Amino acid sequence: DTAVSQTPKYLVTQMGNDKSIKCEQNLGHDTMYWYKQDSKKFLKIMFSYNNKELIINETVPNRFSPKSPDKAHLNLHINSLELGDSAVYFCASSQWVGGAWTDTQYFGPGTRLTVL
Amino acid sequence: RKEVEQDPGPFNVPEGATVAFNCTYSNSASQSFFWYRQDCRKEPKLLMSVYSSGNEDGRFTAQLNRASQYISLLIRDSKLSDSATYLCVVNSAGGTSYGKLTFGQGTILTVHP
Repeated sequence: DTAVSQTPKYLVTQMGNDKSIKCEQNLGHDTMYWYKQDSKKFLKIMFSYNNKELIINETVPNRFSPKSPDKAHLNLHINSLELGDSAVYFCASSQWVGGAWTDTQYFGPGTRLTVL
Repeated sequence: RKEVEQDPGPFNVPEGATVAFNCTYSNSASQSFFWYRQDCRKEPKLLMSVYSSGNEDGRFTAQLNRASQYISLLIRDSKLSDSATYLCVVNSAGGTSYGKLTFGQGTILTVHP
């Protein structure tokens, strides 16, 4: 009964490769997010989708491409991986309720990406 | 200037101590404020929302001062299980309605016996 799940949990790959991280939520939320947490532990938003529509797109290299096939899934594809992409990537979800956003975001367990 | 700034610590306190964390934010249009907790190698989880009137949840008290753009968290009677990183979080979407959360870098707390 996991609320927000991500796969894989760990990802070790070589520079230049292309990889994907998958995220699914079973909370019935309509908004999903991708965050990056770097080695200094700063958590920064990358993207947000609401009902499969991109609503937040921070300054992220275009090697990163999110895809939302439906509102329960938000995947992250990364092309031409670089050393600096090594980080923990968290997926999260939240819900629009009664004319306002409920700011509570539920996070997945994270995907620890290591680029060699 | 960072949008959300916290003292990274670490704070090392004995069990039973009272500890306070502070946070400042730069966007005066920010509308909602939170403390999240992140355990080592785990995901962040909401600890509590922060309201202008101040709010309390058991041993935890949060305060917001909009004029000073300052947020605080007070933990009383610290437990070993309180050891974690505490993240100050601000909804920096301003007038828009999207939940764009901006996180501080976190304050590390270690409670020892």
